[in-house]
Amino acid sequence: ETGVTQSPTHLIKTRGQQVTLRCSSQSGHNTVSWYQQALGQGPQFIFQYYREEENGRGNFPPRFSGLQFPNYSSELNVNALELDDSALYLCASSLDRTKEYFGPGTRLTVT
Amino acid sequence: KQEVTQIPAALSVPEGENLVLNCSFTDSAIYNLQWFRQDPGKGLTSLLLIQSSQREQTSGRLNASLDKSSGRSTLYIAASQPGDSATYLCAVRDRDDKIIFGKGTRLHILP
Repeated sequence: ETGVTQSPTHLIKTRGQQVTLRCSSQSGHNTVSWYQQALGQGPQFIFQYYREEENGRGNFPPRFSGLQFPNYSSELNVNALELDDSALYLCASSLDRTKEYFGPGTRLTVT
Repeated sequence: KQEVTQIPAALSVPEGENLVLNCSFTDSAIYNLQWFRQDPGKGLTSLLLIQSSQREQTSGRLNASLDKSSGRSTLYIAASQPGDSATYLCAVRDRDDKIIFGKGTRLHILP
């Protein structure tokens, strides 16, 4: 059984640029959730995809968007990066929105 | 709006002691509650998941309880070990499929 993987591990971007983060779900999982975790804070829910449809969204602006592919892997896209977007971005997969399994995260730094 | 609070924010205890971490939530209409462990700079590891219809779950030295009517959950760790040192996070899945995390409790077990 393959766990949740994320790429890249670290990323440095400049304010105003766009970024795409990737997540491969655990085998057999059909639900992917994305979270933003600032230093010293709990993860903040960005959105969730269930069978390729967005199914739940947190309090994030439209410049945060995503996709889920037929193989249930997923992308998080962030446009017009701001300094406050610097954080650890976590992806989690689950089967039918039950127990969530997290990837190791992508550390994004915006300068 | 659902809010999740974890008390205490930090805790240091001698090795071998039993301890309790607390989590409270403001809206009792939840789908489930999950406890996670996070090591510094890493992703989250799921410890226990309690469905809204359940009262408790156990795994090894860990026991989590849920009192939905009072909006509370506790994580009990028996016979603590230095390897238990980490941040422990509580998260609820609400009826809109949003997952809301607390800020976590940083636990340090003293050898």
